[in-house]
Amino acid sequence: DQQVKQNSPSLSVQEGRISILNCDYTNSMFDYFLWYKKYPAEGPTFLISISSIKDKNEDGRFTVFLNKSAKHLSLHIVPSQPGDSAVYFCAALSYNFNKFYFGSGTKLNVKP
Amino acid sequence: KAGVTQTPRYLIKTRGQQVTLSCSPISGHRSVSWYQQTPGQGLQFLFEYFSETQRNKGNFPGRFSGRQFSNSRSEMNVSTLELGDSALYLCASSLRTSGTYEQYFGPGTRLTVT
Repeated sequence: DQQVKQNSPSLSVQEGRISILNCDYTNSMFDYFLWYKKYPAEGPTFLISISSIKDKNEDGRFTVFLNKSAKHLSLHIVPSQPGDSAVYFCAALSYNFNKFYFGSGTKLNVKP
Repeated sequence: KAGVTQTPRYLIKTRGQQVTLSCSPISGHRSVSWYQQTPGQGLQFLFEYFSETQRNKGNFPGRFSGRQFSNSRSEMNVSTLELGDSALYLCASSLRTSGTYEQYFGPGTRLTVT
């Protein structure tokens, strides 16, 4: 069962503009949501996370927004840089049940 | 602060052999998880350890096992290797503090079974 979904397999953005990556989930019991960046043949790199009790978390160029009523979260990258080109995964964690779910990923291409 | 370290980085084994992979988490992290990454299946959860106890296990056969030591270092063992076990094995350490949860992956061990 797909508890975490990333419906856009790819996204192309011009350098300097905003990149918005989206993620939907089905289980309202998730405690934390995380975003990762991944290059081919490497492990994921942790970017930013948000607790389910918050609706926004910011770290430098990365901001994650959580809309619990819509069961939706998004990652904003501003300004986008060519080095941001990678596959981005969202993940959701149910801490008490020790369940970790990953989305299928969105490939971001930032054009110079 | 040092990141998650995994040894060895590369390993070549033959079918039927067994292998042990090692992971040292970030200092202060007590939770260690193991994942298998393949091009076809993506990232698949193997198991998680917290304070030397296995808290959760994915859908892998019993040939895959692990353990965690008192210093939070973890090992993963695969017995009777099969060709399909060729993959990148990733270890991740995590920390939950008030209101935040962070999980960091190591560089992985690339296992090739011939």
